Amino acid sequence: EVQMLESGGGLIQPGGSLRLSCAASGFTFSSYAMNWVRQAPVKGLEWVSVISGSGDITYYADFVKGRFTISRDNSKNMLYLQMNNLRADDTAVYYCAKKEVGSRPFDYWGQGTLVTVSS
Amino acid sequence: EIVMTQSPATLSVSPGERATLSCRASQRVSSNLAWYQQKPGQAPRLLIYGASTRATGIPARFSGSGSGTEFTLTISSLQSEDFAVYYCQQYNNWPPGTFGQGTKVEIK
Repeated sequence: EVQMLESGGGLIQPGGSLRLSCAASGFTFSSYAMNWVRQAPVKGLEWVSVISGSGDITYYADFVKGRFTISRDNSKNMLYLQMNNLRADDTAVYYCAKKEVGSRPFDYWGQGTLVTVSS
Repeated sequence: EIVMTQSPATLSVSPGERATLSCRASQRVSSNLAWYQQKPGQAPRLLIYGASTRATGIPARFSGSGSGTEFTLTISSLQSEDFAVYYCQQYNNWPPGTFGQGTKVEIK
């Protein structure tokens, strides 16, 4: 059974840093691109970043470029999101999401971790 | 960036009735369109991909259609567990795979 569990969220002041983690199991982790998707309170879904299965290719949404860094440790089946210089509008539930191979969407999502940026 | 527009924002339907949700893309996305269901406090769940293919374990009352820029999700006979928010997502232009703003299906 595919499972993904995020952790690391919490309350952080503007300008602060936070590192999110996503522990994955039930599939061959290194074979799949992994994503972070966020959802602000009472808002829709917003893609944040993706990393290839091998970890050598990454992409970011413009609104996090230069502030967030996605990474993975395939030996531990872990996905990470390092978030720096956080802003109030980064407040959201952050989900990790597995992307199926090829031209396919996200087939599995974690339960999410809440990040609140506030003074 | 491709903009996805869903309508209506809210759909009030009685249990057992049919629900029809629409999604429009600002550019052609072929059949690279997915639908997700999200219940309060839960993660989104993939329902449909390739515009019309049901994901594993999704009941047959959910069906998708369309290609290009116009897409539809139909729930043939609404069950109590189907009241939720539904999002479409294009993944033709990837990344990013842009989402619609969602349609809330509520009990009439």
